This record gives sequence, structure tokens and C-alpha cells, in this order.
Amino acid sequence: DIVMTQSPDSLAVSLGERATINCKSSQSLLYSSNNQNYLAWYQQKPGQPPKLLINWASTRDVGVPDRFSGSGSGTDFTLTISSLQAEDVAVYYCQQYYSSPPYTFGQGTKLEIK
Amino acid sequence: VQLVQSGAEVKKPGASVKVSCKASGYTFTGYYMNWVRQAPGQGLEWMGRINPNSGDTDYAEKYQGRVTMTRDTSSSTAYMELRNLRSDDTAFYYCARSGQVVYFDFWGQGSLITVSS
Repeated sequence: DIVMTQSPDSLAVSLGERATINCKSSQSLLYSSNNQNYLAWYQQKPGQPPKLLINWASTRDVGVPDRFSGSGSGTDFTLTISSLQAEDVAVYYCQQYYSSPPYTFGQGTKLEIK
Repeated sequence: VQLVQSGAEVKKPGASVKVSCKASGYTFTGYYMNWVRQAPGQGLEWMGRINPNSGDTDYAEKYQGRVTMTRDTSSSTAYMELRNLRSDDTAFYYCARSGQVVYFDFWGQGSLITVSS
């Protein structure tokens, strides 16, 4: 199974500042035939189901604000929130969909306001 | 797109539970339905998926032999049955839609299953 490891486990950032969350996979998520990274990011607010933010490592889902961006390739990926808003307080998860099952998630990063 | 799940349940150890997920707003047979669970305060774990068109299933090895995923195309509803429940099965169970490529673009609201004697 592919192991996904996020860092840090928790993060406190001031409003308007940049937040950066890292995700590392135990094997490459880059599929050479189409040059795509099979990685998604989700946001989960308290008491809610997860919400898809980004797929293919860097493609924002419909309606996701452009302050959210994804980057990286191979085994190392980053989710960046360029200017933190109060409504961005949540737990963030990365997920790989490269391999045949199981489709695995990182352990989550809790983002709070400093 | 909406995925509406059945309500919370309390079960005794050794019992079974069957959670439903009713889909609307899209062609039910055109997308996979996955089940993801989340223990209280913990992370997300993919349990398996069903192809509503064919009925074919893939299960995570951890749940093989204990889980069954089915569907009723006439009502656009997917089901997840988990047997021989243990206390560590206490969790929210989510249904989540995916395409052939398995990222989850829509999620149900979650069903809390509590296993307690």
C-alpha cells in the first residue's frame, strides 16, 4: 500500500498570512504515460464531510477560491493557502489515487488561526 | 448532486449494520460509489467501492469477508453492510462518489455507527 505522510500535524497561521501543508507519498504518484500526478486534497470542517479542493495535484475543483493552490510532483506535494481567511479553519487531507486499491489518505493537518 | 445517507445507529458487538446512500442529481450508474470511514477524531480510511452499473466491487483487504457493498439501481441507492461489529468499528461512515479515477467529488453527510454493549 502507498503510505501518505503529511506535515505538520497541526499549524497555526495569522489571518491574511500564508499557510503551507506538505504531503509525501511512499512511491511516486506521477503516471508517465499522461504526465499526471494522482493526488487530491480535501478540506474537512468540524461536523461536516470532507470537501474536494484539488485534484491532479494542482487543479482546483469548481468553486474553490483561488487562494488555494496545489503543487508538487512525484512524491512531494504542497497545499498552499495564500491569504488565510477565518473560514479556512479545518483539517486538510491529501489522498492518492495512483495505485489499485486501497486509495490512501494522509493523517490530516489541523489548521487554526494564530 | 446529492448523496443522502441513513441515520445514526447503535449496535451491539457481534451485530451487523447496513447503511444506505441515496443518490440524486446525476446518472447513478455512471459513477462509482465508495465508502470511507472516520473514527471519532481520527483520519479517513477507504473501505471499498461498487460499480453501480455492473455491481462489481473492490474492498480494502482489511474489510474482506466482513463487508458487502450492494446497490439498487431502481432507487439509485447504494448500501454498505458491515458484519461482526466491534467497538473499534464506531465511526462515521461516508459514501462518496468517484469516477474511474478514484478521487471523491461528492460526499454524503455521514452516518454515525456506534458499537457498544
